[in-house]
Amino acid sequence: DQQVKQNSPSLSVQEGRISILNCDYTNSMFDYFLWYKKYPAEGPTFLISISSIKDKNEDGRFTVFLNKSAKHLSLHIVPSQPGDSAVYFCAAKTSGTYKYIFGTGTRLKVLA
Amino acid sequence: EPEVTQTPSHQVTQMGQEVILRCVPISNHLYFYWYRQILGQKVEFLVSFYNNEISEKSEIFDDQFSVERPDGSNFTLKIRSTKLEDSAMYFCASSDTRAVQETQYFGPGTRLLVL
Repeated sequence: DQQVKQNSPSLSVQEGRISILNCDYTNSMFDYFLWYKKYPAEGPTFLISISSIKDKNEDGRFTVFLNKSAKHLSLHIVPSQPGDSAVYFCAAKTSGTYKYIFGTGTRLKVLA
Repeated sequence: EPEVTQTPSHQVTQMGQEVILRCVPISNHLYFYWYRQILGQKVEFLVSFYNNEISEKSEIFDDQFSVERPDGSNFTLKIRSTKLEDSAMYFCASSDTRAVQETQYFGPGTRLLVL
């Protein structure tokens, strides 16, 4: 039951360039989406979120875009920095539930 | 900045033994959660807890699991009789409200290894 999918297991980007991480979902009832960053041996760290009533949310170098018709969201990191190297998870939930449904993660490597 | 803490960071146990994983949520948060991540797999929801009751649980959270808030600060996950397949990273999380746009904040995790 893969309601949230991250089809790219890994991504390498040069420092200073844009990183684009993608996430697709199948459940049209999802109304809140989040991106978490995870370093090895640490818990997921919240990065940015977006409600289904919006199509874009920006916080510093991080921007999340939501395309509801395509059931797709993406995280843009500009400019990418070596410290951004981590595994990025997208997660989604519906308003009728407490649980987050996570994707499988994309490992981002930012090359100096 | 307030954060969720978990102890122990690592736990090794024999199959069939009971383990208790401990969490201290962010102090003004009212909703508590456990998730797990089996090595190489995605993070999976186990249970949510509010007002001293389970509010939601997944199919993974069967009778061998239980949660408790024994005092005003700790939130525990007990696995009564561990199995090999319980080996995973267990994350505790907490949130302030259950509003749609409420973010869950995660602890660093406990790595459980069942031998």
